[in-house]
Amino acid sequence: SQQGEEDPQALSIQEGENATMNCSYKTSINNLQWYRQNSGRGLVHLILIRSNEREKHSGRLRVTLDTSKKSSSLLITASRAADTASYFCATDPNNAGNMLTFGGGTRLMVKP
Amino acid sequence: SQTIHQWPATLVQPVGSPLSLECTVEGTSNPNLYWYRQAAGRGLQLLFYSVGIGQISSEVPQNLSASRPQDRQFILSSKKLLLSDSGFYLCAWSVQSTGELFFGEGSRLTVL
Repeated sequence: SQQGEEDPQALSIQEGENATMNCSYKTSINNLQWYRQNSGRGLVHLILIRSNEREKHSGRLRVTLDTSKKSSSLLITASRAADTASYFCATDPNNAGNMLTFGGGTRLMVKP
Repeated sequence: SQTIHQWPATLVQPVGSPLSLECTVEGTSNPNLYWYRQAAGRGLQLLFYSVGIGQISSEVPQNLSASRPQDRQFILSSKKLLLSDSGFYLCAWSVQSTGELFFGEGSRLTVL
């Protein structure tokens, strides 16, 4: 079963706009991770946020975590056409990776 | 630096035929290794993971099996493929002390 569920399932924006994707989960976690997948390729790890952290930045990426609401958001600022991909959240209850559970993903399209 | 290789990239097999997908990791030792399957437009389903040579944990009952004959080699097999085995198979590794996954480029299997 999928622990994390992304919202929206699909998002289409213009280049330069910001893109926000949300992830909700059901059980307690040790950390939450975001991954990116270009069509037909493997996933690439973007950012990991621990349960005791509320916000984390990496370049144009900003991730927030609200453990009381069991939710996280990924913000991509000043989007580019190259950001077009699927984005997945994954929850890790024990910080060892073997129980990492992925959501269904958000398909982001950035139009030039 | 660490790299992960997964092959073959594409495979078309008849129902009832055997399967062997191989994954190797370079540049690290004693990694956790994983096989995931991704249905079209969906999230990832964990099939198998391994914390060491000969140690395999199965998450989903099915006609697939996994083996880890060497520290950095992970093999996904089937004796007789089913139509429902079609999908995108992804190998991944992680450092045992953290939860971040590093994925291969995937193997697309079509069973006809």
